This record gives sequence, structure tokens and C-alpha cells, in this order.
Amino acid sequence: EPEVTQTPSHQVTQMGQEVILRCVPISNHLYFYWYRQILGQKVEFLVSFYNNEISEKSEIFDDQFSVERPDGSNFTLKIRSTKLEDSAMYFCASSPMGYNSPLHFGNGTRLTVT
Amino acid sequence: GESVGLHLPTLSVQEGDNSIINCAYSNSASDYFIWYKQESGKGPQFIIDIRSNMDKRQGQRVTVLLNKTVKHLSLQIAATQPGDSAVYFCAEIMASGTYKYIFGTGTRLKVLA
Repeated sequence: EPEVTQTPSHQVTQMGQEVILRCVPISNHLYFYWYRQILGQKVEFLVSFYNNEISEKSEIFDDQFSVERPDGSNFTLKIRSTKLEDSAMYFCASSPMGYNSPLHFGNGTRLTVT
Repeated sequence: GESVGLHLPTLSVQEGDNSIINCAYSNSASDYFIWYKQESGKGPQFIIDIRSNMDKRQGQRVTVLLNKTVKHLSLQIAATQPGDSAVYFCAEIMASGTYKYIFGTGTRLKVLA
């Protein structure tokens, strides 16, 4: 069964550094998402992406965050200048349709900011 | 101030018994709901979904019930197995035209041998 893959599985970075989290969504899906989960807390929406542009973003997704689909397969999340509070699991998800279709999640990237 | 972490409600069931996990959703206008299972160190895994024009949907060993009057969703797992041990949470689509799924807090299911 096709799946969403994320790399790396764990990323450690120093405060102020830039990080890029990578995702390969399921190939025939059209909608892409990033969510995050701080340890012990809820899964929180960051951003959705369709047709090469952001369709919706949360208040968490400020100017330090950006997303890109640089080619036909990858979907990336960049954090320009990481803060301690960015430490979390970051999940990429994709869906075939945006509305009323389940999200398929990757296994996440654990980001640790020191 | 904001809590550092959430204390997840825990449901402990004997292997072979049925499990019922509940979720209160927030928006009466939500019209699509999903149950996810999350095992330690993994991403959320889709279990079953339901649209608001239905009140019950069955899958393999799982049933989702939707009560729109009280904004309540439940997941029933029949003949619970050790592999069912995980955190379960519901997600809702808040309104038409949005792609933003809102996730609930989650319930930890522990299956006792």
C-alpha cells in the first residue's frame, strides 16, 4: 500500500539554525499538509497546500515557516530560524481530495532544538 | 498558563472484550469525522470515517457512531486485541471550504492480556 515517507526521522539542530523537513506524499494525492505534535499534546494543523500554493495556514505558521513542492514528488517544510519551542514531531500528510477525504500521515520527523 | 502536556484519559480493557472510545467534537457545523490510531513513534493511522448524513458506519471490527444532537462521536472496537493498544483520537473538518482538520485530545487504549 502506498505511504507517505518523511526524512529524516530525527533532526537535532541548534537554536537559530534553519531546518528543512522532507516528505514524499502518496503519488496520486493532490493535497498536502504539515501538522505538528508537541510531546504529550494534540496534533496541531500548520498548513495545507494545493496546486502549488498554500490553501490554508494556522496562526502557528508564521513568517519563520515556509513550504515548497520543488519537484513532482517532494514536499518540504522549512523553519528559517528555529526556536526551542519548535521542538516537536512534525507530520506530513496527503489526501486525494481536500475536503471529506482522510489524511494519510507519514511517521514524522522528531525535531529537537537545543 | 498553558499546560506543558495533556494527561490522556486511559481505557483499559481485557483482551477479547469490546472497547468504546468517546469523543466530543467542537463545531456543530462539522460534517466529516475521522478516527485515527497512533502507536508510539508513528504517525496517525486512518481507521474509519463518517459523514454527518450518517449516524453509524461499520468497518472490520470497528464501528463509528455519530450523535449530532450532542456533538458526540464514538469508536467501538470488537474483540479487542493486544495490537489495538494505542492512542485513539477523532478529527473533524470544521466547515465547508476548509482543509483544516481539528484533532481531539486522544484516549489511550490499553489491552490487558
